[in-house]
Amino acid sequence: NAGVTQTPKFQVLKTGQSMTLQCAQDMNHNSMYWYRQDPGMGLRLIYYSASEGTTDKGEVPNGYNVSRLNKREFSLRLESAAPSQTSVYFCASSGGRVDTGELFFGEGSRLTVL
Amino acid sequence: QQQVKQSPQSLIVQKGGISIINCAYENTAFDYFPWYQQFPGKGPALLIAIRPDVSEKKEGRFTISFNKSAKQFSLHIMDSQPGDSATYFCGASNYQLIWGAGTKLIIKP
Repeated sequence: NAGVTQTPKFQVLKTGQSMTLQCAQDMNHNSMYWYRQDPGMGLRLIYYSASEGTTDKGEVPNGYNVSRLNKREFSLRLESAAPSQTSVYFCASSGGRVDTGELFFGEGSRLTVL
Repeated sequence: QQQVKQSPQSLIVQKGGISIINCAYENTAFDYFPWYQQFPGKGPALLIAIRPDVSEKKEGRFTISFNKSAKQFSLHIMDSQPGDSATYFCGASNYQLIWGAGTKLIIKP
């Protein structure tokens, strides 16, 4: 059982380039999330999707867009990458409530913006 | 008011000792407090969680102690083992989960 799968695992971009991080879950979960993790700052929520067809901003949405393609897939797009977006990005899913359901995380996508 | 303050930032404990990580919050509307464990190169995974109607929850060697009046909660790892070496995150939630900054725990053999 794969759980939450993220691609790519590593990516290097130049400032101004665009890219999309892909996420898929096979647990039939309703809710999906994108977080970024930076040293000393914990996990910060970028966007989430409580159900198929809905998306909402989290704590740090600026510079990002998301698409909930279907129940399984939730992608994160950087339209014009900036060095401040260098981070490790985690996708997560949850079958319970958005605020109290157990989160299942992927292994992360490490992005460097030069 | 939405912050969760976690301490210490890093912690070194001898094998067999007790590891203690603390978190404090301000928002009294928080009603769910999970702890997640993260190994290098992996995503976080739920370790244990508590709601404010109980003061303590224990699962194996891991215990959450919750002090509602002080707005503090802590994770205790008894008989700490090298395999417990990881980064630990506390969280607090009402409609959205707010994370602490994390504690890097190293258990020395």
